Amino acid sequence: DAGVIQSPRHEVTEMGQEVTLRCKPISGHNSLFWYRQTMMRGLELLIYFNNNVPIDDSGMPEDRFSAKMPNASFSTLKIQPSEPRDSAVYFCASSTGTGGSEAFFGQGTRLTVV
Amino acid sequence: AQSVSQHNHHVILSEAASLELGCNYSYGGTVNLFWYVQYPGQHLQLLLKYFSGDPLVKGIKGFEAEFIKSKFSFNLRKPSVQWSDTAEYFCAVNGGFNKFYFGSGTKLNVKP
Repeated sequence: DAGVIQSPRHEVTEMGQEVTLRCKPISGHNSLFWYRQTMMRGLELLIYFNNNVPIDDSGMPEDRFSAKMPNASFSTLKIQPSEPRDSAVYFCASSTGTGGSEAFFGQGTRLTVV
Repeated sequence: AQSVSQHNHHVILSEAASLELGCNYSYGGTVNLFWYVQYPGQHLQLLLKYFSGDPLVKGIKGFEAEFIKSKFSFNLRKPSVQWSDTAEYFCAVNGGFNKFYFGSGTKLNVKP
């Protein structure tokens, strides 16, 4: 099993540009999570999908952020327009959604907005 | 709403010292509890989890944690730390709706 796969691993972009982060969850997992990690704020849950449907997006910082999950094997997190304060490591995680199941994390995307 | 509190933000120990990291959660229902470790520059990896049964849970690399329901706590322990345990440790709770809440993390620095 390849685990949760995120791309790109690193992204450097200029302020105002659109950024798209990608995630492929583990096959058979029904739940998918997007987290943002910064030194100041720690690990924040941005949005959570269950069976491809967004269940809770209360952690999405503002309208510049959007996430989609068009099918069970792919999700995107888009930032448009990007700002320097969006610089962080963005993690995708998936789980089976059954009782006691843990979340499996991808390697993360380190985003730098200059 | 659920929340997770980790009281120690930064812990420095010498090799062979014993470790205990505190974790308290707030949630009235049935919970699943987890400890994750993040080595420098890497992603979060599961150390151990509590689902049900024996409240003393053993994980990888000699770590263990004890679930004390009356105290809403799930503290992580290791009798003798090694330099390779230097990492950040996160406590997490999963209650209803399969939503994972993470604590703010504890950075552990083990001096050789």
